[in-house]
Amino acid sequence: SQTIHQWPATLVQPVGSPLSLECTVEGTSNPNLYWYRQAAGRGLQLLFYSVGIGQISSEVPQNLSASRPQDRQFILSSKKLLLSDSGFYLCAWSAGGANEQFFGPGTRLTVL
Amino acid sequence: QKEVEQNSGPLSVPEGAIASLNCTYSDRVSQSFFWYRQYSGKSPELIMSIYSNGDKEDGRFTAQLNKASQYVSLLIRDSQPSDSATYLCAVIRNTGNQFYFGTGTSLTVIP
Repeated sequence: SQTIHQWPATLVQPVGSPLSLECTVEGTSNPNLYWYRQAAGRGLQLLFYSVGIGQISSEVPQNLSASRPQDRQFILSSKKLLLSDSGFYLCAWSAGGANEQFFGPGTRLTVL
Repeated sequence: QKEVEQNSGPLSVPEGAIASLNCTYSDRVSQSFFWYRQYSGKSPELIMSIYSNGDKEDGRFTAQLNKASQYVSLLIRDSQPSDSATYLCAVIRNTGNQFYFGTGTSLTVIP
């Protein structure tokens, strides 16, 4: 069966510090991978998605970037965090096409 | 116009009642439709998917799809306090890999 991991689970970072969040998927190959952010009490905001290694589509221009160095690894980064980057970051995968999407446990980021 | 729209609620139903959650979508080429449940502080979990017009039942859950009206709903029978959560509707077009999520409906089941 497929599993999706994210780490860390929680993170508290000062404004201006760098960020690296990692997501890995097990039990499948060539998944579509997604990064979402959910601000407190808000809906899901799609940040990036990837259909293959090195292929990244950005949905919202901001100070975040994403990379996919391996087939089942997706990384979200920032060089300098802003207060507005606080939120619940969710990684998800799907098999592509019309298939459903499955979420990881999430990383709760607080920028102080 | 938003791709997917849901009433934010909150929706309150007594234990044992039927909870009805509704969702409309804007793009007629939408192909697949999903319902997710999200408990407070947790990530969304898939509870139902539906691809063709009509009803699909899974235990206490029934998803209903009407493509002509661009409407998808979720019925929860015999609602339990453990069903209290936010329910997210999602659609995917047949032209791409991007999911569109509604903002969610908060459901509270009162014991």
